[in-house]
Formats: sequence, C-alpha cells, structure tokens
Amino acid sequence: DSGVTQTPKHLITATGQRVTLRCSPRSGDLSVYWYQQSLDQGLQFLIQYYNGEERAKGNILERFSAQQFPDLHSELNLSSLELGDSALYFCASSPRQGRNTGELFFGEGSRLTVL
Amino acid sequence: AQSVTQPDIHITVSEGASLELRCNYSYGATPYLFWYVQSPGQGLQLLLKYFSGDTLVQGIKGFEAEFKRSQSSFNLRKPSVHWSDAAEYFCAVGEPSGSARQLTFGSGTQLTVLP
Repeated sequence: DSGVTQTPKHLITATGQRVTLRCSPRSGDLSVYWYQQSLDQGLQFLIQYYNGEERAKGNILERFSAQQFPDLHSELNLSSLELGDSALYFCASSPRQGRNTGELFFGEGSRLTVL
Repeated sequence: AQSVTQPDIHITVSEGASLELRCNYSYGATPYLFWYVQSPGQGLQLLLKYFSGDTLVQGIKGFEAEFKRSQSSFNLRKPSVHWSDAAEYFCAVGEPSGSARQLTFGSGTQLTVLP
C-alpha cells in the first residue's frame, strides 16, 4: 500500500459526459501528479500540483482540468468525454521540497471506460 | 526534453533463469533514474532508484540496476526469476533539480515467466 488513495476504482460512462476522479496523497506529501495510461500512449504525464498551485503541465487536453484543495487532495475533471479517453488514470504524490529524492508514490488508479 | 527507451516490448524467461531489462535515457546531465513494476490491476511500485553515488543499486524483490553514464543506460537485472515476477516493468527518468518533478516513463517491458 503506497498510501495514495484514488476513487473511484472503476467508472463506466457515455461519450459527452463529465466525470471527476479523486486522489488523496500520502500523509505529508504536498505534490500531486496525474498520469494517464493507455495502450497506445503508454504512461503520459498530465499535470502536477504543489501545495494547491499548478506546478507543471504535460499532455493534458483542454477538456481536462484539475485542482488541489487546501487539504491537499486533488481532483481531475474530464469533460465532453470521447471513446479515446478510456484509460487508467493514476495519481501519484511526492514529499515536499527538501525531502524529495525524486520518486513518486502511485495510487492503484481509476479505470475509466467511455462507451 | 528527456526521454526513455525500453527496446524490449515483451520478454519471456523460464523460472530460475536470469533476467536483464534494458533502459536507455536521453537527458543533458545525470538524471534521477527509476524502475517501477506494475502487476495486473495494480498501481506502480518502486523497485529501485538512482540519483548519485554507487552506480550499482539494489532494490526490492532481489532486483538490481546499473547506471552506465557512457551508455546512457540503466538496465535492470535479477539473477533468478520467480513466477511472481511476471508483470510490466517501467523505467523512468526525473530531473534532479527544479520545481517540476514529474517523471518521464518508458513504454514498458512485459515480462512473462514460464514454469
């Protein structure tokens, strides 16, 4: 158990819909990262938040957005869903600056299926 | 931009045989290097990491990896594979400094272990 909690574990929805994925980082970790894992794209970095502020952005679509709340949990919002958005979405966390030796701690992922 | 190449998509070995998974990276300096393992339906678990010092690093589950700067490689090895090692293995690279600490992953190597 990495200490990173993601909900829901599985989600099935229809095209055009909107979903929210939730992540609670490890206790004390200030950074949250979102990754998308699909068969054709592999593991793609989407976005990073550090203590409530966006720190880095990767290959995140404009239909997707994220935020990190004062209690440090994070949500990834996916809207106007398309079939190609079906994937496993991972959240990861890392310790605060100064205690960060680079590794990320991953949750078990949220599997999204768009029908 | 940094990148990671895992040239072997799928490797099959017999139980008890030795294993080497290849990883090459592209980065301007010495990055942080990681190997993660993903079992079916699970998140990514850190096997080992390198960020400085001894170029041969030991990890969990009997794995080790060697950093070779001249070859820009970080290959993962295990002297005797167990059936429970069947999983997908990801090499990743991270920047040792800066505020953005996301990892860039290779495309993964699927390991099958024959009895």
